[in-house]
Amino acid sequence: DQQVKQNSPSLSVQEGRISILNCDYTNSMFDYFLWYKKYPAEGPTFLISISSIKDKNEDGRFTVFLNKSAKHLSLHIVPSQPGDSAVYFCAASLLYNTDKLIFGTGTRLQVFP
Amino acid sequence: EAGVAQSPRYKIIEKRQSVAFWCNPISGHATLYWYQQILGQGPKLLIQFQNNGVVDDSQLPKDRFSAERLKGVDSTLKIQPAKLEDSAVYLCASSLDRGFFFLNTEAFFGQGTRLTVV
Repeated sequence: DQQVKQNSPSLSVQEGRISILNCDYTNSMFDYFLWYKKYPAEGPTFLISISSIKDKNEDGRFTVFLNKSAKHLSLHIVPSQPGDSAVYFCAASLLYNTDKLIFGTGTRLQVFP
Repeated sequence: EAGVAQSPRYKIIEKRQSVAFWCNPISGHATLYWYQQILGQGPKLLIQFQNNGVVDDSQLPKDRFSAERLKGVDSTLKIQPAKLEDSAVYLCASSLDRGFFFLNTEAFFGQGTRLTVV
């Protein structure tokens, strides 16, 4: 039972354009959502997060949007840079157990010149 | 600041053999996690320690997997005996304390150990 889904296994975007990575979840009790970035042969690194009481959180070139009614969140990267090429994981947790992250399957982003 | 250290980086074993992975978290981090990431899937939490106590091991296959964190610092994860489906990357992560959001304590991951069971 995949509670966090990233239906696009890969995405290719031109440098300077916007990258939009999507994530859907099934458990309406999830309260916190995170995005992690992973380069080959490295562990995931935390990128940005959002609480369910918000619908948007911005950090530099990265913005996460949350649509609770649709159980959908997205990560926008503007402008995209070649160094953004990595696998991006969406993760979610419950209010009473924020340590336990449920990860999606990841989306591989490739930013080409 | 040194990151989370894991060893070995790679391990190939035959099914039914035993294997152990080692993790050294970031100094001062009280919370330590072991995740299993099977190819094509996201990481799945196996066990979480707070200092040297287990907080959550609900997804650890206890008939073959075991983990310990003696003295609340380093940790080892053992598989005995290994099965083909155990082939995965085993990630160790640590955080300053529990509660990603309440305390703004994000988890830092190591590079992982890639296990191949043949």
